[in-house]
Amino acid sequence: RKEVEQDPGPFNVPEGATVAFNCTYSNSASQSFFWYRQDCRKEPKLLMSVYSSGNEDGRFTAQLNRASQYISLLIRDSKLSDSATYLCVAPGGGGSQGNLIFGKGTKLSVKP
Amino acid sequence: EAGVTQSPTHLIKTRGQQATLRCSPISGHTSVYWYQQALGLGLQFLLWYDEGEERNRGNFPPRFSGRQFPNYSSELNVNALELEDSALYLCASSYGGSDQPQHFGDGTRLSIL
Repeated sequence: RKEVEQDPGPFNVPEGATVAFNCTYSNSASQSFFWYRQDCRKEPKLLMSVYSSGNEDGRFTAQLNRASQYISLLIRDSKLSDSATYLCVAPGGGGSQGNLIFGKGTKLSVKP
Repeated sequence: EAGVTQSPTHLIKTRGQQATLRCSPISGHTSVYWYQQALGLGLQFLLWYDEGEERNRGNFPPRFSGRQFPNYSSELNVNALELEDSALYLCASSYGGSDQPQHFGDGTRLSIL
């Protein structure tokens, strides 16, 4: 299993839709996770940190399932401005211990 | 609080030349990370520095090197530039460790002609 794996998408959804992304991770000892948002040709920006079972911030909800080793990000009432690539991030194991591993990202496109 | 700052914003070089990219972390952050992102691709981890020492290195040739200074700023050096080195180079900083989020600078866009 890759250290962090995401469905690359693209997810094409209409405004107002609810969309969910899943991400799997391989390091079972991981305690903290992050979701980042990256706009085209820009730097990634921290969207949400997940330290326990989940986190909620407005329209965004992140959930953690340690038994199955996956993290999800739910976006409710999608806006055009939500169009971006969403990166799942988990701690590395083995030779990457102490570092964060970034997934390749899931692309979201919200249409009018 | 000032964010992570990188310089230069853009850098144009020719094959075989050397490039130096600079990064200043957020005040209080001791760890600096370097990533390469080629157009349309994901982040590729290059280097991690913490407290002046190299802690981890990605799968890149030795011509990619760097250092971290006593004030925690960092520079990335790329020798013998090749066309495929053209990419956005991102620097991030954190308090260190895998339980801390990384905060990114705007990046340096390196173009090799």
